[in-house]
Amino acid sequence: QKEVEQDPGPLSVPEGAIVSLNCTYSNSAFQYFMWYRQYSRKGPELLMYTYSSGNKEDGRFTAQVDKSSKYISLFIRDSQPSDSATYLCAMSPYTDKLIFGTGTRLQVFP
Amino acid sequence: GAGVSQSPSNKVTEKGKDVELRCDPISGHTALYWYRQSLGQGLEFLIYFQGNSAPDKSGLPSDRFSAERTGGSVSTLTIQRTQQEDSAVYLCASSQQGSGPGEQFFGPGTRLTVL
Repeated sequence: QKEVEQDPGPLSVPEGAIVSLNCTYSNSAFQYFMWYRQYSRKGPELLMYTYSSGNKEDGRFTAQVDKSSKYISLFIRDSQPSDSATYLCAMSPYTDKLIFGTGTRLQVFP
Repeated sequence: GAGVSQSPSNKVTEKGKDVELRCDPISGHTALYWYRQSLGQGLEFLIYFQGNSAPDKSGLPSDRFSAERTGGSVSTLTIQRTQQEDSAVYLCASSQQGSGPGEQFFGPGTRLTVL
């Protein structure tokens, strides 16, 4: 079993929809949780960064961490075609090494 | 300012040949990471350099893989006697010391194809 599980998708939604992306993990030592966005043939870019449990909101994006369930989510409100990308969750204990999920490919159609 | 740059952007090589991949981190970033991204797989950690400390090589898949970082800046990942399973996108990232795990800035990657 992988330390971080993420549904690869693809997830296809109409413009304006609310998107929910999720990851589960098995290592209870993880304290830092991130979401990266990766456009085709580009490197990943940090989208959201949270420490421990709770919610964090940034514009149309909300990240949630539920450590009791070992489950993290990223919500995208009012999704746009420009949100079409692969979304990777990543997490870490107190070290600088990140463990990534496989990524979920999102397609937002007009 | 300039981001992380990698060269070449694409590399096609024959099985058994050696390849060198280059990474120029963001100026002032003391930490540098190499990852491998295969089709349908997440990012696989390979190696991590932090300042003058000994690198963390725990992710290197075999002794055919090595990396060095000269002068605390540019890094080169070398794959000797390449195999077809080495075909992947190799990503480099850098971060500032003390910025905490996760705040890594990635380059565009080198797409390696081993025929």
